[in-house]
Amino acid sequence: GENVEQHPSTLSVQEGDSAVIKCTYSDSASNYFPWYKQELGKRPQLIIDIRSNVGEKKDQRIAVTLNKTAKHFSLHITETQPEDSAVYFCAASQSGGYNKLIFGAGTRLAVHP
Amino acid sequence: GAVVSQHPSRVICKSGTSVKIECRSLDFQATTMFWYRQFPKQSLMLMATSNEGSKATYEQGVEKDKFLINHASLTLSTLTVTSAHPEDSSFYICSARKGPQRDEQYFGPGTRLTVT
Repeated sequence: GENVEQHPSTLSVQEGDSAVIKCTYSDSASNYFPWYKQELGKRPQLIIDIRSNVGEKKDQRIAVTLNKTAKHFSLHITETQPEDSAVYFCAASQSGGYNKLIFGAGTRLAVHP
Repeated sequence: GAVVSQHPSRVICKSGTSVKIECRSLDFQATTMFWYRQFPKQSLMLMATSNEGSKATYEQGVEKDKFLINHASLTLSTLTVTSAHPEDSSFYICSARKGPQRDEQYFGPGTRLTVT
């Protein structure tokens, strides 16, 4: 089955700096890769996702890149703000059907003013 | 929109009793819902996949007789924790997909279960 590894487990940056979180997956059949942001005690919120027919996707300060050959994908947050502080989870699944998401272990991002 | 609600948000029960958690998609029909369990400072662990009108598919190691899942309509799935024990205390979160051709999962706010 699919296995998703996520690094780093914690990340501390100064406000305005960039933050990068990386994930690798094991199943070459996976083709859907979402990123979720979870604040303490709250639900995970989908912030961006990418499918395997695309190498990069950007939404304002957030971007995701995908390298299918290497089986890894990354989340990039630019111009970080204190409100970006949260736990970020990557996930992977096979598109369509009832296929399930397999989550990474999470990255705790702290943005210091 | 894609709003998913869960009820209750918090519940405390005694060992040996059963607790039912509801997951509802408020503004869309969800043919598939998922139930996750999350321990403090850990990731989301999928417990089961719930398909409307059919039996749930449980992940390896999840006792189907202990965690009863029912998906009776396109907007409601329920998780019943039977004969609860303190080790069942956790944060239970559901998610829903709009359909088999839609990949995005939208999460409920979660239910914090404490078994005393």
